[in-house]
Amino acid sequence: NAGVTQTPKFRVLKTGQSMTLLCAQDMNHEYMYWYRQDPGMGLRLIHYSVGEGTTAKGEVPDGYNVSRLKKQNFLLGLESAAPSQTSVYFCASSSTLQTVETQYFGPGTRLLVL
Amino acid sequence: GQNIDQPTEMTATEGAIVQINCTYQTSGFNGLFWYQQHAGEAPTFLSYNVLDGLEEKGRFSSFLSRSKGYSYLLLKELQMKDSASYLCAVTGNYGQNFVFGPGTRLSVLP
Repeated sequence: NAGVTQTPKFRVLKTGQSMTLLCAQDMNHEYMYWYRQDPGMGLRLIHYSVGEGTTAKGEVPDGYNVSRLKKQNFLLGLESAAPSQTSVYFCASSSTLQTVETQYFGPGTRLLVL
Repeated sequence: GQNIDQPTEMTATEGAIVQINCTYQTSGFNGLFWYQQHAGEAPTFLSYNVLDGLEEKGRFSSFLSRSKGYSYLLLKELQMKDSASYLCAVTGNYGQNFVFGPGTRLSVLP
């Protein structure tokens, strides 16, 4: 049982390049989330999904797209990377309503955009 | 809107007790979580409060006052391994989102 895994662990991009971050969970969780974490700002929700085939915007969705084609996977895409997207990205999942279940986090992806 | 506030940094001595405060103003409230995050690692769950009062879990306790929009995390018998950031997070009326505070970086000194 690996929990929540993220690929890649670290990436350097040039401005304008695109990339996809992959999140996978093996706990059969319905809910999945993508956050970014910047110094002094805590975790901010980018997008989330309440089930396979559904996605919704969080607090800071601009510049990102997501897809949830399979229940166990949640992809985060950057179509044209900008230096402001330099951050640590965390994926998380939870089983049912967030109000009664904690979220389980992946190890994070460190992204540097030059 | 939602606003969550925590002290940025705190320092305490090994063996001591420390209290980390969290105040929040949200358009809806359902519950409050505390997470621990060591440098370079993912957050891990510590506690969850939905009703007013104190929840105790070993060396860690968490308190909630819904009427005051206030919570604290109490860490007893501090150990060096408790040096980490502590994140307060609030969930809204419909459980749509977790909203995280900026985190408090705790340094435990020998």
